[in-house]
Amino acid sequence: KNQVEQSPQSLIILEGKNCTLQCNYTVSPFSNLRWYKQDTGRGPVSLTIMTFSENTKSNGRYTATLDADTKQSSLHITASQLSDSASYICVVSQDRGSTLGRLYFGRGTQLTVWP
Amino acid sequence: KAGVTQTPRYLIKTRGQQVTLSCSPISGHRSVSWYQQTPGQGLQFLFEYFSETQRNKGNFPGRFSGRQFSNSRSEMNVSTLELGDSALYLCASSWDAFGNTEAFFGQGTRLTVV
Repeated sequence: KNQVEQSPQSLIILEGKNCTLQCNYTVSPFSNLRWYKQDTGRGPVSLTIMTFSENTKSNGRYTATLDADTKQSSLHITASQLSDSASYICVVSQDRGSTLGRLYFGRGTQLTVWP
Repeated sequence: KAGVTQTPRYLIKTRGQQVTLSCSPISGHRSVSWYQQTPGQGLQFLFEYFSETQRNKGNFPGRFSGRQFSNSRSEMNVSTLELGDSALYLCASSWDAFGNTEAFFGQGTRLTVV
């Protein structure tokens, strides 16, 4: 069964600290993996997209890693800020040919950054 | 470059009514997909349209339908509303099929069914 599991479900950290969010998937065949940030009541915003051949990708203070062999990804946030408080969603795209990339969503990790 | 626009932002409907939500994609984008987001279920895929054709569909009842116009704008319709349809409805647009290219989400329509 194609699934995306994220952990932890929620996380509270102090401003300035680092944290790492996890994503494990069983989606096959694999096309790409994305991390989105979603502020409360807003639409998700893309942070990174990684294909099979990429194992690290950075976007400012956000660094995503991908291990396609173990089907695991992580999102590392460095020097957290209050504005990082949001839900972080892992999305895996299934390769079904050129036009039908079926998506599988994790339920997200709710990150709260305290001052 | 304007982003994805969803209207209305908020909506309150009564059980049994129907509702139509609108999504205007980024100019030049041909693919529009729709999602339902609830606290308990997270993001659930509804359907994807590409050049006016429905290319992919999630596991939702037939009360949920959609269409895409020649200018790529899309509408989603829910008939015979139920309390459980209360959710944030998001649409996303991309140049190509959603699974293959960068996708951009709108701010969503918050639907409350009373």
